[in-house]
Amino acid sequence: AQTVTQSQPEMSVQEAETVTLSCTYDTSESNYYLFWYKQPPSRQMILVIRQEAYKQQNATENRFSVNFQKAAKSFSLKISDSQLGDTAMYFCAFMILNSGTYKYIFGTGTRLKVLA
Amino acid sequence: EPEVTQTPSHQVTQMGQEVILRCVPISNHLYFYWYRQILGQKVEFLVSFYNNEISEKSEIFDDQFSVERPDGSNFTLKIRSTKLEDSAMYFCASNGGTGRGANVLTFGAGSRLTVL
Repeated sequence: AQTVTQSQPEMSVQEAETVTLSCTYDTSESNYYLFWYKQPPSRQMILVIRQEAYKQQNATENRFSVNFQKAAKSFSLKISDSQLGDTAMYFCAFMILNSGTYKYIFGTGTRLKVLA
Repeated sequence: EPEVTQTPSHQVTQMGQEVILRCVPISNHLYFYWYRQILGQKVEFLVSFYNNEISEKSEIFDDQFSVERPDGSNFTLKIRSTKLEDSAMYFCASNGGTGRGANVLTFGAGSRLTVL
């Protein structure tokens, strides 16, 4: 079975500090993509960062970076210099190509609150 | 920036009534999805659609649900006879498949359905 586990339902961080959100996944596929999506309160989900499983180098997007450990099937998100606007629900997801279509599996989310 | 458009943003209906939620995916995208989210909790997959047919559906997507792409631009989700437990936020998403932004799922802002 393909699953994504986010073990931290809620987290908080002080503004300007760094926080790491954890994500583990399980799949037998060797080729897949990993994503972190952000969902601000009452807003749509937007892509934060993505990682191709075949790339060893960790993806980085400004203040957001990932720690991708393929053998451990771990994909954590680090937010540096946290800002109030980072307050949101964060979903980890992976995608595989399945029977000619793209299948996305989402975790249950981590609610992050950035404190002033 | 191309976006996925969903209407209505909020619909209130009586139990047993039919509801149609509409989505306009990004114009050159080929893969379409419906997800739902109850009370800001986990994101649940409903159905994926490619090449004018359902490519995969979840257990949630029973006979009460149907999808259609009637005119090459709209992608609709119909709930034939709504139940109280269908109250949720419904998200449409699309994926271009190839090219720039390949493999990234782009979400609409959602349609909030309230069943009374």
